Amino acid sequence: EPEVTQTPSHQVTQMGQEVILRCVPISNHLYFYWYRQILGQKVEFLVSFYNNEISEKSEIFDDQFSVERPDGSNFTLKIRSTKLEDSAMYFCASSRQTTEAFFGQGTRLTVV
Amino acid sequence: DQQVKQNSPSLSVQEGRISILNCDYTNSMFDYFLWYKKYPAEGPTFLISISSIKDKNEDGRFTVFLNKSAKHLSLHIVPSQPGDSAVYFCAARFTGTASKLTFGTGTRLQVTL
Repeated sequence: EPEVTQTPSHQVTQMGQEVILRCVPISNHLYFYWYRQILGQKVEFLVSFYNNEISEKSEIFDDQFSVERPDGSNFTLKIRSTKLEDSAMYFCASSRQTTEAFFGQGTRLTVV
Repeated sequence: DQQVKQNSPSLSVQEGRISILNCDYTNSMFDYFLWYKKYPAEGPTFLISISSIKDKNEDGRFTVFLNKSAKHLSLHIVPSQPGDSAVYFCAARFTGTASKLTFGTGTRLQVTL
C-alpha cells in the first residue's frame, strides 16, 4: 500500500541552525501539506502546496519557514533559524483530491 | 479559537462493546469531516470521512454520524477491539480550500479486556 515517507525520524538541532525535513508523498497525489504537533497539543496546519506553489499557509508559517518540491518526488520543509518553540512532531501529508489526506510517520524535531 | 472540539479527553470501553467518540464544531462553513487514529510516535491514520451532504457513512466496524443542525459528529466503533486503543482526532475542512484540516484536541480511547 502506498504511503507517505518522512526522513529523518528524529532531528536534533541547535537553536539558530537551519533544518530541512524531507517527505516523499504518495506518487499520484497532487496536494501536499505540512502539519505539526507540539507535545500535548493538537495537530496544527502549517502549509498546503499545489501545482508548485503554496495554496494556503497558517500564521505559524512565517518567513522562517519555506517549502519546496525540488523534483517530482520530494517535498521539503525548511526552517531557516530554529527556535526552541519549533520543537514538535512535523507531519507531511498528501492527497489526490481535496478530501482525505494521508500522513507520514512524522519527524520529531528537537531544538536545543 | 477552537473551531473543532473534542470535549472528552479520554474514554474507556470494554472489548466487544460500542465506542462512541464525539466531536463538535463551530464553523458552519466546514463541509467535510474526517476521523483519524493516532498511535504514539506515529502519524495520524485516516479512518473514515463524511461529506456535509450526508448524515451517515459506514465502513466496516466504523460509522460516522453527522448532525449539521447541532454541528456535531460522532464516530461509532462496534465491536471495540484492544487494537483500537489509540488517540482519535476529528478534523474538518472548508469548501474551496486545498484540504487544510482543522483538528480537534483528540480523545484517547482505551479498550479493555
